[in-house]
Amino acid sequence: GAGVSQTPSNKVTEKGKYVELRCDPISGHTALYWYRQSLGQGPEFLIYFQGTGAADDSGLPNDRFFAVRPEGSVSTLKIQRTERGDSAVYLCASSLTTDSPGELFFGEGSRLTVL
Amino acid sequence: GEDVEQSLFLSVREGDSSVINCTYTDSSSTYLYWYKQEPGAGLQLLTYIFSNMDMKQDQRLTVLLNKKDKHLSLRIADTQTGDSAIYFCAPANQAGTALIFGKGTTLSVSS
Repeated sequence: GAGVSQTPSNKVTEKGKYVELRCDPISGHTALYWYRQSLGQGPEFLIYFQGTGAADDSGLPNDRFFAVRPEGSVSTLKIQRTERGDSAVYLCASSLTTDSPGELFFGEGSRLTVL
Repeated sequence: GEDVEQSLFLSVREGDSSVINCTYTDSSSTYLYWYKQEPGAGLQLLTYIFSNMDMKQDQRLTVLLNKKDKHLSLRIADTQTGDSAIYFCAPANQAGTALIFGKGTTLSVSS
């Protein structure tokens, strides 16, 4: 597609529920990133995929967070047993380069609110 | 891990120059980036500098890099009201796998 697409744009859930957030990167971009941005903060790195594999998942805050990219294109960020502190905008970005972050193209984000 | 510090707010008058400063801790970044975030919009790349350069000029934007002091700055000449946004400094992490963002500097331009 023309840009990075993220769905849903808004998600409201209750504490303890399971949530999936989807990212459709720019066609041909092999690198895909998940970040989250809390109010008044900069984007915080979560995980980086190169193709199908997670090349760096050091930013995932705990084992409730998991992400997949089974065919090297679309990625899903999965959050189990959501907590109020998980409320944030989850940003996905993709990049054409393979050996360094390069220029990241960001989607508009999925705003998650945990009640 | 990488730590990126920026001043949180900057207020200027239209037509003045704006200078946004950033300090970072990890000196291994090959490229250092500036991103812009406007209200209701996604992050967009503004400009970047290669780590072996001291300065890069791109129209109204000038990026200065002092690698010894780990200091990066962004100068916007002839600032316009449309430049009002949050500006993020983003060097790469030590592993070179991701960009690490500061908290951002909110630039407010008054006419």
